[in-house]
Parts: sequence; structure tokens; C-alpha cells
Amino acid sequence: EPEVTQTPSHQVTQMGQEVILRCVPISNHLYFYWYRQILGQKVEFLVSFYNNEISEKSEIFDDQFSVERPDGSNFTLKIRSTKLEDSAMYFCASRNPGVLEQYFGPGTRLTVT
Amino acid sequence: AQSVTQLGSHVSVSEGALVLLRCNYSSSVPPYLFWYVQYPNQGLQLLLKYTSAATLVKGINGFEAEFKKSETSFHLTKPSAHMSDAAEYFCAVTEPTGRRALTFGSGTRLQVQP
Repeated sequence: EPEVTQTPSHQVTQMGQEVILRCVPISNHLYFYWYRQILGQKVEFLVSFYNNEISEKSEIFDDQFSVERPDGSNFTLKIRSTKLEDSAMYFCASRNPGVLEQYFGPGTRLTVT
Repeated sequence: AQSVTQLGSHVSVSEGALVLLRCNYSSSVPPYLFWYVQYPNQGLQLLLKYTSAATLVKGINGFEAEFKKSETSFHLTKPSAHMSDAAEYFCAVTEPTGRRALTFGSGTRLQVQP
């Protein structure tokens, strides 16, 4: 069964460093999402991406964040200058047009020290 | 704006007992509702969804949920808990048109006692 994959599973970085989180969505899906879950809190929407552009973003997704689909398979989330409060589990999700359910990857745990 | 409230951050049941996880939503438009499950160190897996068809929705692993518009609820139930049901459960809402991002509740951790 096709699934969303994410790498790395765990990333430790120092405050102020740039990080890139990688996702490979399900191959025929066209909508892509990033969510995050700070430890002990709810899952929060960050950004959605369709047709090579951002279709929606939340207040969390400020200028420090960017997304890219550099090729036909990867979908990345970049944080330019990480802050302690960026420590969280980051989930990638994808879905097909006309289908409601989003399929989630296993997540990348980002720890900023 | 949409929101989801899950009452009870932790629920503990005995194996074989009824599971009831509560979810109430707020939405200015007819909602589409989902339950996701998260097993330890894994991603979110879709259990079931409500999309304005039948109000009683059956999902995987014996779970079901009933959409009650008058109560703005979408509670998740399972008649008989199994040890393997121990996980975190998230209720989520989205709107049927426009933005498709999910708004999640804070989650309920289900413990199943032998």
C-alpha cells in the first residue's frame, strides 16, 4: 500500500541553524500539507501546497518557513533560522483531488537546542 | 472558523469494555469530520470520516462514530476494547469547500487495562 514517507525521523539542530525536512507524498497525490505537533499540544496546520504554489498557510507559517517541491517526488519544509519553540513533531500529508482524506507520514521530530 | 473539543485527555477502559471518546465541533458551515489514530512513534492513520452521507459511520478496527448535528458531536465508539486499541485518538474537522486543512482536537490517549 502506498504511503507517505518522511526523512529524517529525528533531527537535532542548534538555534539559528537552517533545517530542511523532507517528505515523499503518495505518488499520484496533488495536494500536500505540513502540520506540526508541539509536545503535549494539538496538531496544527502550517501550510498547504497545490500546483506548485502555496494554497493556504496559517499564522504560524511566517517568513522563517518555506516549502518547495524540487522535483516530481519530494516536498520539503525549510526553517531558515530555527528557534527553540520550533521544536516539535512535523507531519507531512497528501491527498488526491476530490478525495477528502489526507494521508499522513510518520513525522520528523525536530529538536532545537 | 472551525474548532474541535475533545473531552478527556486520557481515557482508561478494561479490555472488552465499551470505548467512548468524545468530540464536539464548532463550524459555521456543514462540517466534514474525521477520526485519526496515532500509535506510538507512528503517523496519523485515518479511522473513519463523515462527509454528509450516513450519520453513523463505520471505520476500521471495529470503530464507529455518529454525527449529531443537534449536539454538534461526533463521538467515537467501539463496543469491546482490545489491548491493541491503546493509542492517541484525534478528532478533526474541515469544510467541504475551499480550504481543506484539518483542524484537530487536542487528542485523547486511550489506555486499555487487561
